[in-house]
This record gives sequence, structure tokens and C-alpha cells, in this order.
Amino acid sequence: GAGVSQTPSNKVTEKGKYVELRCDPISGHTALYWYRQSLGQGPEFLIYFQGTGAADDSGLPNDRFFAVRPEGSVSTLKIQRTERGDSAVYLCASSRRGGTGELFFGEGSRLTVL
Amino acid sequence: AQSVTQLGSHVSVSEGALVLLRCNYSSSVPPYLFWYVQYPNQGLQLLLKYTSAATLVKGINGFEAEFKKSETSFHLTKPSAHMSDAAEYFCAVSFYGGSQGNLIFGKGTKLSVKP
Repeated sequence: GAGVSQTPSNKVTEKGKYVELRCDPISGHTALYWYRQSLGQGPEFLIYFQGTGAADDSGLPNDRFFAVRPEGSVSTLKIQRTERGDSAVYLCASSRRGGTGELFFGEGSRLTVL
Repeated sequence: AQSVTQLGSHVSVSEGALVLLRCNYSSSVPPYLFWYVQYPNQGLQLLLKYTSAATLVKGINGFEAEFKKSETSFHLTKPSAHMSDAAEYFCAVSFYGGSQGNLIFGKGTKLSVKP
């Protein structure tokens, strides 16, 4: 597609459940980022991929959060044992290469944990 | 540590009036600075960026920002607001001077434009 695509756009789950959020970046973009945006806050960095590998995962809040990008294109953010505090909009962005700061964002996946 | 402060979570201007959105940064290394805009029901998009070239940076839709090192500021301006400018604006600083590209964002300023 022309832009970054994220699915699902909305996800409601119960506390303790497992959730996967998918990101399909712009074709040819080697860098992929995940951010989290809570209500009234700016996006908060989670993890950055360059190709298939996680170049920087320093923003992942704890070991319940994990992300993969096995073929260097689509990425999945995985959240285990969800907690109410995980409720937020999860944003994915891609760029032609890392280091430019010129990110193209998807519309986000809104996660609500009941 | 790098950080960004946006003064004013909400700014309201009349159509045709000057737009001024404030951003101050803290960085221990020369910063790369960015403004992103988020229109309703859309993803964030890059408005403009500063990467140590010209201190006055021009972006899309008539916006510009000036890097002032002495004031650690990167305020966003537009001479004449249009109704279509209503959106949320985020200032961001690049960590490690841009080598990783992951950005630190401010909390955002929601701009309303009155007819």
C-alpha cells in the first residue's frame, strides 16, 4: 500500500490476555519503529528495527512486551498478560533508513484493556 | 538527557491570525529537531526538520520554525492561520543526534482555528 498500515485499528481485551498488533510498513523502508501514545501524552518510543533485527529496544517497558520483524518488512508487537495500564494507542512508523528522523506513521492501533 | 517541552496544551487563534506554537528542548549533544502534525483520524506526518543546516526551516503548508541555540527553542510559526490548520502538533528531538532516528516527543499542542 501507499502508507503504513496497522491492524487492528481497535482492540478490546481483558486483563491477562495476550495481544498481537501488526504493522505493514511502506514498501522499501528498512527502518521500522513502534511507539505508544497514552491519552494526553506524546508518542513514547518502544523499539526500532533496522531490517530484521531490533537495533534499539530500550523503550520496551518490561518483558511482557516483545516485537518481531522476521523478514524485514511486516512487524508484530506482542503483549503478554495485558494490564489495564497497557491501554494506549500503539503507533508504527517506517522510514527509508534509520537515522533521519523522517518517520511515516500509521494511524495506530487503539488497545483497551478491561 | 534529551527532552522536549511544549508550552500550552491548547492554543486557539482566529482565521488569518499568527500561529505560534512553542517548543523548548534539552539536549547534551547537538540536536536534530522536528515538528510533526496529526490531523483528526490520520497518522502523524512530518511538518519540518532542523538538522544543523539553516537555522530557519521552512515546512509544508506555510509553516516555519527557527532554531535558537541560546534560547534552546524551536518554535513553530505561520503568518496566517487557516481553518485546515486545526490539528495537534508535536515537537520532537532526535536521540544520539540522529544516528538512531528514534525521536523523543513533547506532549503536543492542539491548535484550534476560529472562523
